[in-house]
Amino acid sequence: QKEVEQDPGPLSVPEGAIVSLNCTYSNSAFQYFMWYRQYSRKGPELLMYTYSSGNKEDGRFTAQVDKSSKYISLFIRDSQPSDSATYLCAVSKGGSYIPTFGRGTSLIVHP
Amino acid sequence: NAGVMQNPRHLVRRRGQEARLRCSPMKGHSHVYWYRQLPEEGLKFMVYLQKENIIDESGMPKERFSAEFPKEGPSILRIQQVVRGDSAAYFCASSPTGTQPQHFGDGTRLSIL
Repeated sequence: QKEVEQDPGPLSVPEGAIVSLNCTYSNSAFQYFMWYRQYSRKGPELLMYTYSSGNKEDGRFTAQVDKSSKYISLFIRDSQPSDSATYLCAVSKGGSYIPTFGRGTSLIVHP
Repeated sequence: NAGVMQNPRHLVRRRGQEARLRCSPMKGHSHVYWYRQLPEEGLKFMVYLQKENIIDESGMPKERFSAEFPKEGPSILRIQQVVRGDSAAYFCASSPTGTQPQHFGDGTRLSIL
């Protein structure tokens, strides 16, 4: 079993839709949770970073962590074509900060 | 991704040659991480360095790969005697401390002929 599971997609939605991206992880020792966005031929860009269970909001983006279920989500409201990218979830343990990445979900937002 | 600079952006080598990938971290960042990304796979951690020291190299292949982060100058990932399987995108990331999120460069795409 992989430490972080993420559906590769692609996920195709119309502009303005609410997007839900999800990951599951297997190790309860993971304490830090991140979402990165990666455009084609570019490096990952940190979108959200959270430590605790619950929700964290930043503009159109909301990260949600459920430690009891080992489930993390990223919601994008009012999605735009510019949101089309691959979204990587990442988790890490306390102490040494070396995240384990999911393989990424490809999102396509069409006008 | 402004700040973490990687060069070259694209590198072509023939089998058996050496590849040298460079990474200049963001200003004020002394922690550097190298990752490899293959098609259809996620980012895989290779090595974590702090100025002049290798902190964690658990993801580095035991042979042909080495990394350094000298007191002066960029971090270098070196691959000796490259093989076709080394073809991938190699990303460098940096952080100000070992406990804060990493910021990535735009990668070096290595192609082996």
